[in-house]
Amino acid sequence: GAVVSQHPSRVICKSGTSVKIECRSLDFQATTMFWYRQFPKKSLMLMATSNEGSKATYEQGVEKDKFLINHASLTLSTLTVTSAHPEDSSFYICSARDWGDGYTFGSGTRLTVV
Amino acid sequence: RKEVEQDPGPFNVPEGATVAFNCTYSNSASQSFFWYRQDCRKEPKLLMSVYSSGNEDGRFTAQLNRASQYISLLIRDSKLSDSATYLCVVNKGFGNEKLTFGTGTRLTIIP
Repeated sequence: GAVVSQHPSRVICKSGTSVKIECRSLDFQATTMFWYRQFPKKSLMLMATSNEGSKATYEQGVEKDKFLINHASLTLSTLTVTSAHPEDSSFYICSARDWGDGYTFGSGTRLTVV
Repeated sequence: RKEVEQDPGPFNVPEGATVAFNCTYSNSASQSFFWYRQDCRKEPKLLMSVYSSGNEDGRFTAQLNRASQYISLLIRDSKLSDSATYLCVVNKGFGNEKLTFGTGTRLTIIP
């Protein structure tokens, strides 16, 4: 089946530093990828839609200058959390529409900002 | 009203029992419907898509009622491995690839 590889799976960083998360579609091309955030015992919330070769579109309330998205190729999208703070600690997950009618998710990145 | 509403549970049922989950959605323009399962601290995995005619995959049956904007999932002969959180997922409208997730229903199968 379709595979989306996401890494790192876990990262701990100091407050004020930046963290880059990568999401790759391994066996299919993804012109569009989606970035979600999930807080404990909460639902996945869409942060932004990553579009290959163009600017990402952000959901209301998501700061585009804080969460930088780059989708430079058909198989790679990156999310950079800039100047991370403890309240940014969360589970970040990417997904892409696969060749079927579903969406394949990356394995997620657990970010802890100390 | 939430875009996608689910009973959060938890549902604790004995092994072998049948369990049903319900979900309602508010956007009548939604066209794609899914059930995903999510294990603790893991990513969601597609369980099944949901079609208007209803669909079955082994022990799992999904139903969609567009008029009532209601989706259901039935699990028969539940196994211990079915313990997970079940997410009702709906797209945001015709041709819209964005998804809205329900908060999930936590299921625990008891031996």
